[in-house]
Amino acid sequence: AQSVAQPEDQVNVAEGNPLTVKCTYSVSGNPYLFWYVQYPNRGLQFLLKYITGDNLVKGSYGFEAEFNKSQTSFHLKKPSALVSDSALYFCAVRDINSGAGSYQLTFGKGTKLSVIP
Amino acid sequence: NAGVTQTPKFRVLKTGQSMTLLCAQDMNHEYMYWYRQDPGMGLRLIHYSVGEGTTAKGEVPDGYNVSRLKKQNFLLGLESAAPSQTSVYFCASSYSTRKQFFGPGTRLTVL
Repeated sequence: AQSVAQPEDQVNVAEGNPLTVKCTYSVSGNPYLFWYVQYPNRGLQFLLKYITGDNLVKGSYGFEAEFNKSQTSFHLKKPSALVSDSALYFCAVRDINSGAGSYQLTFGKGTKLSVIP
Repeated sequence: NAGVTQTPKFRVLKTGQSMTLLCAQDMNHEYMYWYRQDPGMGLRLIHYSVGEGTTAKGEVPDGYNVSRLKKQNFLLGLESAAPSQTSVYFCASSYSTRKQFFGPGTRLTVL
């Protein structure tokens, strides 16, 4: 079974400060990891993914995430937060070994990011 | 390209009524998914499809049925709606293990 934990329901950060949204995962094999963002009354938008390769993944809108296998984490980061980054962020995982024909993603419960002007 | 579209955007049902939500994608994706989003629960997979004519159960399939008669369409049905099915429903599609593209959502209220 695969699972994702986002330990913080809400993160508040001042505009211009660095931000981190935390995610830890559990899979039996190797993970595919994703971050999505949801703005109010909208669907989810893809930010970035880790499949293999460099542990630091760069994505849309200046976001990046660091894969840490030993800590089973995939934290989302941005060097300088913008007010427009305020949204709901979801981490998701898929076990590479979850079987042929199965492409299910398991999502975390989401973290609400508020960037304060 | 329209991407992933969902109809309707909003719907109010009475307990016991039935309805069908339609998802359409124009990206020729093989895989399509139906999720529900509830406060504090994140997204939970209801059903998914790995190709035309195939469907499979996700995490929370009870009370829902699906059909994938055409590659571009994935229908979610509620045969007898219950208040517990009040939620926001999202459809998504993907090509293999690549990122999933999400529709704008359908907000359903069951009274």
